[in-house]
Amino acid sequence: DAKTTQPNSMESNEEEPVHLPCNHSTISGTDYIHWYRQLPSQGPEYVIHGLTSNVNNRMASLAIAEDRKSSTLILHRATLRDAAVYYCILRAPGRGSNYKLTFGKGTLLTVNP
Amino acid sequence: GAGVSQSPSNKVTEKGKDVELRCDPISGHTALYWYRQRLGQGLEFLIYFQGNSAPDKSGLPSDRFSAERTGESVSTLTIQRTQQEDSAVYLCASNVDYRIENEQFFGPGTRLTVL
Repeated sequence: DAKTTQPNSMESNEEEPVHLPCNHSTISGTDYIHWYRQLPSQGPEYVIHGLTSNVNNRMASLAIAEDRKSSTLILHRATLRDAAVYYCILRAPGRGSNYKLTFGKGTLLTVNP
Repeated sequence: GAGVSQSPSNKVTEKGKDVELRCDPISGHTALYWYRQRLGQGLEFLIYFQGNSAPDKSGLPSDRFSAERTGESVSTLTIQRTQQEDSAVYLCASNVDYRIENEQFFGPGTRLTVL
């Protein structure tokens, strides 16, 4: 799987927007960009995914660069409950055992009250 | 229940003992996954079940690890002769099928501590 690079940690204040970056310079044309997060002492939780166009859902927005070599997860108004480790991963359809999720270290987001 | 459940939530065992971990997936989800997460580390794939197909066991770290699934419901992960390096959180996930656009729903995990 193509590799992603994320900052180890970021900090935000409550009720402010948060932009979590992810670099994936070796992304292939068919790779989807997925984001999961993991709250303390919980299992991972799906956040959002996209291919080329920006995506919005109830949890967040995903902004994908035109060349697809980077993306940004946007939390519009951070809450204390958003404090978690955020994982950006690439997933390739139609290739062998692509159903496996593989997370790296992710970005630890701290939200200050 | 609405989500994936796992039991026990915590398990402390002595080196050399066998342990059995249980996962109840979301009803109707044909795909079920087991992962392991060591402290401060990312996710490590262990095994995947999809309906009645042969499971993908390629992630099991040794023959001490095995897993079963009854139809499209409960799964158990068994670790025989536990070692200290088996200490980790064992996570179960399920989804409607294997396609990548389908999010995986995770349970809360079982924290295994081998003394």
